Amino acid sequence: DAKTTQPPSMDCAEGRAANLPCNHSTISGNEYVYWYRQIHSQGPQYIIHGLKNNETNEMASLIITEDRKSSTLILPHATLRDTAVYYCIVSAPNTPLVFGKGTRLSVIA
Amino acid sequence: AAGVIQSPRHLIKEKRETATLKCYPIPRHDTVYWYQQGPGQDPQFLISFYEKMQSDKGSIPDRFSAQQFSDYHSELNMSSLELGDSALYFCASSLGPEPEVDEQYFGPGTRLTVT
Repeated sequence: DAKTTQPPSMDCAEGRAANLPCNHSTISGNEYVYWYRQIHSQGPQYIIHGLKNNETNEMASLIITEDRKSSTLILPHATLRDTAVYYCIVSAPNTPLVFGKGTRLSVIA
Repeated sequence: AAGVIQSPRHLIKEKRETATLKCYPIPRHDTVYWYQQGPGQDPQFLISFYEKMQSDKGSIPDRFSAQQFSDYHSELNMSSLELGDSALYFCASSLGPEPEVDEQYFGPGTRLTVT
């Protein structure tokens, strides 16, 4: 079973920041927080991952709380092409991903 | 940049037939994962390989088998196909074992339809 809880859906206006929350209160010390997204039946796409420090790459930023029990994925300037299902996954390194229900993000023009 | 290649992209089989799905990982990636995604469902892990050895096993039916070859490509063999096997099958590869670079990159998937 997935170890994360995410809202089932969210809307975001195009050009605005999209903030996607994730709760993972039972995360273990060696587990990372990974974010993937899936655009309509395409292969899931890796976005970002982190252990305890905040991370940023060309796609997004990942903010992890100090107690590591929750995190937020930030897409700084959402576009219509960011419409997808976003999965927050807690996992030890080099282990299979356990997908939950994810958050369906709709970016609206 | 090179991506994960899966073939075929679409496959139609009848019940009780067999099917073989192929996955070619990103060059230098030594780990391959297989996932199944049924209609309206989320991806579910089947099996994985690291350096040509099975590393983890998920909810893979006994009718399915898989292996990873010396060139790191992998094949998923499915026998006695059932209607419920109709799904998208994704392969993902990663460059282990350092956790800083262990993210999985997914292929476009093979859509299997069993009639």
